[in-house]
Amino acid sequence: AQSVAQPEDQVNVAEGNPLTVKCTYSVSGNPYLFWYVQYPNRGLQFLLKYITGDNLVKGSYGFEAEFNKSQTSFHLKKPSALVSDSALYFCAVRDVNSGYSTLTFGKGTMLLVSP
Amino acid sequence: NAGVTQTPKFRILKIGQSMTLQCTQDMNHNYMYWYRQDPGMGLKLIYYSVGAGITDKGEVPNGYNVSRSTTEDFPLRLELAAPSQTSVYFCASSPRTGNTGELFFGEGSRLTVL
Repeated sequence: AQSVAQPEDQVNVAEGNPLTVKCTYSVSGNPYLFWYVQYPNRGLQFLLKYITGDNLVKGSYGFEAEFNKSQTSFHLKKPSALVSDSALYFCAVRDVNSGYSTLTFGKGTMLLVSP
Repeated sequence: NAGVTQTPKFRILKIGQSMTLQCTQDMNHNYMYWYRQDPGMGLKLIYYSVGAGITDKGEVPNGYNVSRSTTEDFPLRLELAAPSQTSVYFCASSPRTGNTGELFFGEGSRLTVL
């Protein structure tokens, strides 16, 4: 079975400061890892993904994420937060080695960036 | 392109009523999914389809049915609505090639069962 944990319900950060949204995962094989963002009353939008290769993945809107296999983590980061980054962020995982499998999402972390 | 289109955006049902949430995509994606989103619970997969004529249950299929007669359409049927089905429903699609999991989501359908 595959699972995702997002330990923080909410992350608060001041505009201009760096931000981190945490994610840990569990799969029996190798993972595909994803981050999605949801703005109010909207569907989820893809931000970035880790498939293989470089552990630091760059995505949309200046976001990046670092894959750490030993810690089974895939934390989302941004060097300088914007008020417009305030949204709900979801981490998701798929097990590469289980044939076709669906994405499992975490519970989401609300990011609030204050002016 | 319109992407993934869901209708209706909002609906109120009485207990025991039935309805169909419509989903259509114009990206020629083989894979389609229905998720429900409840506060603090993330997204739970209801049903998915890997192509026309093929559907499979997800994590929370009870009380729902789906069909996939065409590549474009993947309607979700609620039979005998219950208050526990009050939720926001999202339809999503993804291409077959690569199977690297990037999903394209619709805007959601907010359903209230009273």
